[in-house]
Amino acid sequence: DQQVKQNSPSLSVQEGRISILNCDYTNSMFDYFLWYKKYPAEGPTFLISISSIKDKNEDGRFTVFLNKSAKHLSLHIVPSQPGDSAVYFCAQGVQGAQKLVFGQGTRLTINP
Amino acid sequence: DGGITQSPKYLFRKEGQNVTLSCEQNLNHDAMYWYRQDPGQGLRLIYYSQIVNDFQKGDIAEGYSVSREKKESFPLTVTSAQKNPTAFYLCASSLQGALTGELFFGEGSRLTVL
Repeated sequence: DQQVKQNSPSLSVQEGRISILNCDYTNSMFDYFLWYKKYPAEGPTFLISISSIKDKNEDGRFTVFLNKSAKHLSLHIVPSQPGDSAVYFCAQGVQGAQKLVFGQGTRLTINP
Repeated sequence: DGGITQSPKYLFRKEGQNVTLSCEQNLNHDAMYWYRQDPGQGLRLIYYSQIVNDFQKGDIAEGYSVSREKKESFPLTVTSAQKNPTAFYLCASSLQGALTGELFFGEGSRLTVL
């Protein structure tokens, strides 16, 4: 069974500090992961991705880390900005099914 | 502008009525998807289509139906058989399949059953 879990429903971080969002998965048959950002009443937008051939992928202020042995990935945002306040979803590619399985989401609030 | 257009943005339905949500894309993507979002839950896949005239059930297909007669269109019908249809519905598309290609989402349609 393919499961992706984001155990923290919310996170509050001060502007300028680092935000760390976590995601755990159960099925490692296909290790390809994506992070999406979602504002209220809008569709999610793609943020960053990582595959199993890498441990880290960086794009500007956003870095995703993959720990395959722990079946854990994390998204780091540094420095955090007010515009980063949104819900963040991690998603895993499902081999053979051509679909993504999403976590429950983490609501990130950046405080000035 | 290229993108995905969902309509209507807000929709109210009486119990027992069927309703169809529209999704159109001009990105020339082969694959299209319907997801449902409920509070405190992730996005759950309803149906997806990799090619015209073909589609597969997702994790929560019961009470829903789709068609894919044209590459750019993937309408979703919420039938009266869907027991809890009030939700935020998201349509998405991708160029090379979701395994390695990112999904592009529409702005969503919020359905409320009265």
